[in-house]
Amino acid sequence: DIVMTQSPDSLAVSLGERATINCKSSQSVLYSSNNKNYLAWYQQKSGQPPKLLIYWASARESGVPDRFSGSGSGTDFTLTISSLQAEDVAVYYCQQYYSSPPTFGPGTKVDIK
Amino acid sequence: QVQLVESGGGLVKPGGSLRLSCAASGFTFSDYDMSWIRQVPGKGLEWLSYITSSSSYTNYADSVRGRFTISRDNVKNSLYLQMNSLRAGDTAVYYCARCAIFDRDAFDIWGQGTMVTVSS
Repeated sequence: DIVMTQSPDSLAVSLGERATINCKSSQSVLYSSNNKNYLAWYQQKSGQPPKLLIYWASARESGVPDRFSGSGSGTDFTLTISSLQAEDVAVYYCQQYYSSPPTFGPGTKVDIK
Repeated sequence: QVQLVESGGGLVKPGGSLRLSCAASGFTFSDYDMSWIRQVPGKGLEWLSYITSSSSYTNYADSVRGRFTISRDNVKNSLYLQMNSLRAGDTAVYYCARCAIFDRDAFDIWGQGTMVTVSS
C-alpha cells in the first residue's frame, strides 16, 4: 500500500494570511502515460463528512473557492490556502488514487491564530 | 440536490452483524461506482470497499475482506454494506461515497455517516 504522510500535524494562521500543507507519498503517484498525479485533497469541518477540494493534484473541484490551490508532482504535494478565512477552519487530508487501496494522509488541522 | 444518506448504524456486540444502507438521490445512481469509507472518531480515513455501477466488480480492504460484503440495488438507488464478525476495532463512523467520474478511487460526494459501535 502507498503510505501518505502530511506536515505539519496542525497549524494556526492569522485571518487573511497564507496556509500551506504538505503531503508526501511513499512512492510516486505520477502516471507517466498521461502525466497526471493521482492525488486529491479533502476538507473536513467538525462534525461533517470530507469534501473534495482538489483532484489530479491541482484541479479545483467545482464550487471550491480559488484561494485553494494544489501543486506538486511525483511524491511531494502542497495544498495552499492563499488568504485564510474563518470558514476554512478544518482538517485537511490528502489521498492517493494511483493504486488500490486508495489511502489517505493522517490529516492537518488548520486553525485561526 | 445530490445527496447520500446512510442508515443502519448502532451498537453491536463483538462477533455480531450489522447491515448499513446508503440512499442516493439527486443523481443517476446507476451511472456511478460507489465506495464505503470509515473513520474512527478523531482519527483518519480508511477506505473499505468498492463496487462498480453494474455490480460486476467489487474490491475490499484487507482489514475487512471476508467479513464485509458490499452490494447495491440500482432500482432502489441504494448501496449496502453487510458487516459480519464485527470486532472492537470496527468501531467508527461509516461513510458511503460516490466515486468520481474521473477516477473510481477518488470520492466526490460523501454521506453524513452512520456510527457503528462494537462493544460488549
